[in-house]
Amino acid sequence: AQSVTQLDSQVPVFEEAPVELRCNYSSSVSVYLFWYVQYPNQGLQLLLKYLSGSTLVKGINGFEAEFNKSQTSFHLRKPSVHISDTAEYFCAVSDRRQNFVFGPGTRLSVLP
Amino acid sequence: EADIYQTPRYLVIGTGKKITLECSQTMGHDKMYWYQQDPGMELHLIHYSYGVNSTEKGDLSSESTVSRIRTEHFPLTLESARPSHTSQYLCASSESLGVGTEAFFGQGTRLTVV
Repeated sequence: AQSVTQLDSQVPVFEEAPVELRCNYSSSVSVYLFWYVQYPNQGLQLLLKYLSGSTLVKGINGFEAEFNKSQTSFHLRKPSVHISDTAEYFCAVSDRRQNFVFGPGTRLSVLP
Repeated sequence: EADIYQTPRYLVIGTGKKITLECSQTMGHDKMYWYQQDPGMELHLIHYSYGVNSTEKGDLSSESTVSRIRTEHFPLTLESARPSHTSQYLCASSESLGVGTEAFFGQGTRLTVV
């Protein structure tokens, strides 16, 4: 069975400051890792994904994430956030059968 | 660009009514999903399908039912809506073949049962 933990339910940060959203997972099989963003009253939009290869993955809107197999982590980072980054962020894993498991989400609030 | 559509976007309906939430995708994806999400909360998988005539229950027990008669269409039905069904319902699809393909999401339907 797979599971995803997002330790921070809420992360407030000032505009132009860096941010890291944490994600840890557990799985007995190889998994693929994803970060999604959800704006109010919207569906989820893919930010980035890790399948294999380079452990540093770059996504849209200036976000990047680093896969760490030994720590079973996939933390999301952005060096300088904007007000428009305020949203809910979900980390997810999937297996070869496209069974997705989502974390509980982290609400990022960017303050002026 | 991902093309997966949900209608209606918002629905307010009285207790006891039958409702169907529509979900269609034009990407030819075999696998489709329904998730239930309370505001600001995590997603719970309630139904999924591997293809035509395939439907499975998800991790969260739900009184809703689904059907998959056509590849592109995956409607969700509540025979008798109750206030406890008030939530946001998200439809998604993905390819069933291929390594690490992502799920594409619709905009969601926010259901309120009064």
